[in-house]
Amino acid sequence: AQSVTQLDSQVPVFEEAPVELRCNYSSSVSVYLFWYVQYPNQGLQLLLKYLSGSTLVKGINGFEAEFNKSQTSFHLRKPSVHISDTAEYFCAVSPFQGAQKLVFGQGTRLTINP
Amino acid sequence: GAVVSQHPSRVICKSGTSVKIECRSLDFQATTMFWYRQFPKQSLMLMATSNEGSKATYEQGVEKDKFLINHASLTLSTLTVTSAHPEDSSFYICSARPGLDNTGELFFGEGSRLTVL
Repeated sequence: AQSVTQLDSQVPVFEEAPVELRCNYSSSVSVYLFWYVQYPNQGLQLLLKYLSGSTLVKGINGFEAEFNKSQTSFHLRKPSVHISDTAEYFCAVSPFQGAQKLVFGQGTRLTINP
Repeated sequence: GAVVSQHPSRVICKSGTSVKIECRSLDFQATTMFWYRQFPKQSLMLMATSNEGSKATYEQGVEKDKFLINHASLTLSTLTVTSAHPEDSSFYICSARPGLDNTGELFFGEGSRLTVL
């Protein structure tokens, strides 16, 4: 079974400051990793994903994440945030094989202050 | 990218009535769709996996007679909340995966907010 832990439930940041949202996972098998963003009263939109290859993954809206296998982490970063980045961010994993259900973390609320 | 559409986006109903929520994959065929429930300020809870042409697989603790799922075609899955009660009020989100995708990536609908009075 897989589990995902997002260490921060809320992250307040000033506009144009850098941000890192932390994600750690646990799994007995290899997994694919994802970051999704959810704006109020909307579904989830994929920010980026790690399937294989380079451990640094770039996504939409200037976000990037780095897969660290030894630390079982997949932290999300952005060098300079905007007000429009205010949203809920979810880290998720899916096993290479099997039912391939996405397992989500608890979510991190990113609030950008002017 | 693949598009998933949910309808209705908001629904208010009286206690005891049934409500149907539709989930459509607009530009791809989805042999598998997933239904999630999300409580305020919480993560997504997987309710069931909907498989085209067969019975849905429900997660532990989810009442299959309460939450009826039908996946009659490769582009449509429906969730019916039967005899709804106020505690069923929630945000329901569907997701789908293109048939040939094996990475686990899901495409999500916009969500449906159900309020039971």
